[in-house]
Amino acid sequence: AQSVTQLGSHVSVSEGALVLLRCNYSSSVPPYLFWYVQYPNQGLQLLLKYTTGATLVKGINGFEAEFKKSETSFHLTKPSAHMSDAAEYFCAVSEGETSGSRLTFGEGTQLTVNP
Amino acid sequence: DTEVTQTPKHLVMGMTNKKSLKCEQHMGHRAMYWYKQKAKKPPELMFVYSYEKLSINESVPSRFSPECPNSSLLNLHLHALQPEDSALYLCASGGKNIQYFGAGTRLSVL
Repeated sequence: AQSVTQLGSHVSVSEGALVLLRCNYSSSVPPYLFWYVQYPNQGLQLLLKYTTGATLVKGINGFEAEFKKSETSFHLTKPSAHMSDAAEYFCAVSEGETSGSRLTFGEGTQLTVNP
Repeated sequence: DTEVTQTPKHLVMGMTNKKSLKCEQHMGHRAMYWYKQKAKKPPELMFVYSYEKLSINESVPSRFSPECPNSSLLNLHLHALQPEDSALYLCASGGKNIQYFGAGTRLSVL
């Protein structure tokens, strides 16, 4: 069975500061890893994904994440926070690469950006 | 285009009503999903259709009835819902190594 742990249900940063959202996973097969963002009253938007290849993955809005197999981690970072980054962030792992595979989500991290 | 379109955006229904949620995608994906999301929680998987056949049903009550008329459309028929079914219902479309989500339908059951 797969699982995802997001450390910190709430993270608060100042505008312009580094954003670091933590995600650790458990998977019995090579993982496919995702970060989604959810703004209030909206659906989930894909920020970035890791499948194979380069372990540092760049996404939209200046976010990036690094897959570290030895640490079973996939932390999300952004060098400089913007007010518009305030949202709920979900890390997820897929059980397989085929269409119709199940996603397992972490509990989410609420990011607050202070002026 | 990675758009998944859900209608309606908001729905209020009584416990005796019958209503349907609709979802559409034109990315050529062969998997479509229904999720239920409560406030401050991650989405919970309800159903998965793969190649227009129901492949996963997460023991969802029968008052929720999914339907996949073709590879681009997904419906969720609702009947005799309970107040605790009030939530955001999300549809997703899945290709290889990816799922794209719609904006959701905010459902309130009175």
